[in-house]
Amino acid sequence: NAGVTQTPKFRILKIGQSMTLQCAQDMNHNYMYWYRQDPGMGLKLIYYSVGAGITDKGEVPNGYNVSRSTTEDFPLRLELAAPSQTSVYFCASRTGTPGGELFFGEGSRLTVL
Amino acid sequence: AQSVAQPEDQVNVAEGNPLTVKCTYSVSGNPYLFWYVQYPNRGLQFLLKYITGDNLVKGSYGFEAEFNKSQTSFHLKKPSALVSDSALYFCAVSATDSWGKLQFGAGTQVVVTP
Repeated sequence: NAGVTQTPKFRILKIGQSMTLQCAQDMNHNYMYWYRQDPGMGLKLIYYSVGAGITDKGEVPNGYNVSRSTTEDFPLRLELAAPSQTSVYFCASRTGTPGGELFFGEGSRLTVL
Repeated sequence: AQSVAQPEDQVNVAEGNPLTVKCTYSVSGNPYLFWYVQYPNRGLQFLLKYITGDNLVKGSYGFEAEFNKSQTSFHLKKPSALVSDSALYFCAVSATDSWGKLQFGAGTQVVVTP
């Protein structure tokens, strides 16, 4: 049981490049989330999904896109990377039970130069 | 809107002494409250949560937290700290009707010295 798996773990991008951060979970969780973590700022929600085919914006969605074609996968797309997107990105999932806790992946560290 | 405040950037404690990490929150309606811990270069791990019921919640690794509705606080406590408790601790809150979207505090670095 792998839990939440994120790839890649590290990536360096040039300004203007695009990439996709992959996230997969094997716990059959309907709810999935993407957060970014910046030093001293806690975690900020980028996008979330409550099931396959259903996504919605979080607090900081600009510059990102998501899709949810299956229950297991929730990729995060960065278009036209900017230095402000340098961050550590975390994917998380949970069951639909009210008050259920989040299960986090190990993170993807992205640097935009 | 919901928000979380962790007033201390860092808490220093000697091993064996009690550990307290403070958290206050703001949310419309009844809150779901959580504590997570993060070790260097790792994802966040769930410690404990308050959903309803008993105000004193016990969690993993000997941690506990007390929900205080009048003070809108959810402080994390451990009676006797270990060096291995040194980590970054996050408090988080969600409203009961918010699709589980958590608002995180900025985090508190705990340093336990031998």
